[in-house]
Amino acid sequence: GENVEQHPSTLSVQEGDSAVIKCTYSDSASNYFPWYKQELGKGPQLIIDIRSNVGEKKDQRIAVTLNKTAKHFSLHITETQPEDSAVYFCAALMNSGYSTLTFGKGTMLLVSP
Amino acid sequence: KAGVTQTPRYLIKTRGQQVTLSCSPISGHRSVSWYQQTPGQGLQFLFEYFSETQRNKGNFPGRFSGRQFSNSRSEMNVSTLELGDSALYLCASNPQGATDTQYFGPGTRLTVL
Repeated sequence: GENVEQHPSTLSVQEGDSAVIKCTYSDSASNYFPWYKQELGKGPQLIIDIRSNVGEKKDQRIAVTLNKTAKHFSLHITETQPEDSAVYFCAALMNSGYSTLTFGKGTMLLVSP
Repeated sequence: KAGVTQTPRYLIKTRGQQVTLSCSPISGHRSVSWYQQTPGQGLQFLFEYFSETQRNKGNFPGRFSGRQFSNSRSEMNVSTLELGDSALYLCASNPQGATDTQYFGPGTRLTVL
C-alpha cells in the first residue's frame, strides 16, 4: 500500500517568513495530492491540491510543487501570518478507483508575531 | 451549501459498550469515507461507502462497521469498545469518489473510559 512521510513534524517561523513542508510517497500509482489544514477542535480543511499531470499550483500565498520522478511534493506558504498556525497534513491518493487518502503524520506550524 | 455534519460532536463511553456515530455528507455527494485520528497513528482510513455499498475498507478489526443510507447519510458503529478506540472520528464526503476532492466534517471526539 501507499506510505506517506512528512517533514518536519514541527516548524516555527516568524511572521512574514516563508514555511516549507515536504512529503514523500511510495506508490508511483498515486495521482492526487491534497494538503489539509487542521485547527484545534476542527476537522481538516482542504487548502490546496495538485494532480499528477501538473508540476506546480499556486493560490495566493500558498503553493504546492510535485516531483513525480522523485515522488515528493511540497507545500510553500509565503508571508506567513499568525492565523496560519495549525497542523498541516499532506496526503496521497492512489489511482485505484477508491477514495482512500493516505496521510502524512502532520506538521505543526507555529507563526510568531 | 452546508458542509459535512457529524453527530454527536463528543461522546464518552466505557469499555465494552458500543457506539454509533453519524455523518451527513454535503448535498449531492454520494461517497462517504471514515477516518480515525489519534496522536500516535495520525489519520487512518476506516472505510468508504458509495451508493450504499462499502467500496473499500482499511485495516481495522471487525468491531468497526458502517453503513450508508439511500440519502447518502452514513453511520459507523464500534462494538465492544476498548480504551484504544479513543480518538477523533472524521467523516469526509465527495461527489463521486476516486480523485474527487474530499471535504471533512468537524469529527466526533470519542473517549472510552
